[in-house]
Amino acid sequence: GEDVEQSLFLSVREGDSSVINCTYTDSSSTYLYWYKQEPGAGLQLLTYIFSNMDMKQDQRLTVLLNKKDKHLSLRIADTQTGDSAIYFCAGKTGTASKLTFGTGTRLQVTL
Amino acid sequence: TAGITQAPTSQILAAGRSMTLRCTQDMRHNAMYWYRQDLGLGLRLIHYSNTAGTTGKGEVPDGYSVSRANTDDFPLTLASAVPSQTSVYFCASGDVKLAPPYEQYFGPGTRLTVT
Repeated sequence: GEDVEQSLFLSVREGDSSVINCTYTDSSSTYLYWYKQEPGAGLQLLTYIFSNMDMKQDQRLTVLLNKKDKHLSLRIADTQTGDSAIYFCAGKTGTASKLTFGTGTRLQVTL
Repeated sequence: TAGITQAPTSQILAAGRSMTLRCTQDMRHNAMYWYRQDLGLGLRLIHYSNTAGTTGKGEVPDGYSVSRANTDDFPLTLASAVPSQTSVYFCASGDVKLAPPYEQYFGPGTRLTVT
């Protein structure tokens, strides 16, 4: 099965940019996702990218996909305290509905 | 709309006891999933169901069972709980018949402690 790995923790100052990284093993992933989990809550889809794209921008969020290196990143510009959460990357392969999630990165935003 | 509801919110369970975690969705999604979340391990899929009447094993199915009698409900049963099943359990639903990105929608979770 697919393995998806992330670093566990990232701390940034408010106003700085955050970059959360993810590596995956299955090159046949069709969609790659970033989910956000706020304290005490379930996961919510933040953004996604289709495998034939290299970059996707959505307001403060930029997703970069390097298929050669199987590397996915999420950049959050002008990070705010409300961005403090756990961020999960996930991949979907083929027509199956199942997702494989990474280990999650806890983003801490300091003043 | 309620989306996905889970019950109970939290539970302390003695080892060896059985328990059913409940999950109900009102979005008429075909697929439903159970995950457990553990620090440093992320979300791991326990069982899933692509449609009512069918179920499948995920990454960590041992010690758990599921049923899918109808579209809306997907209960997860621990027949004889062990301390290693202490975790936060999330139910999710989705539908590949919907337009991309085939989002999965998550419930609020059940925090289970097995003593």
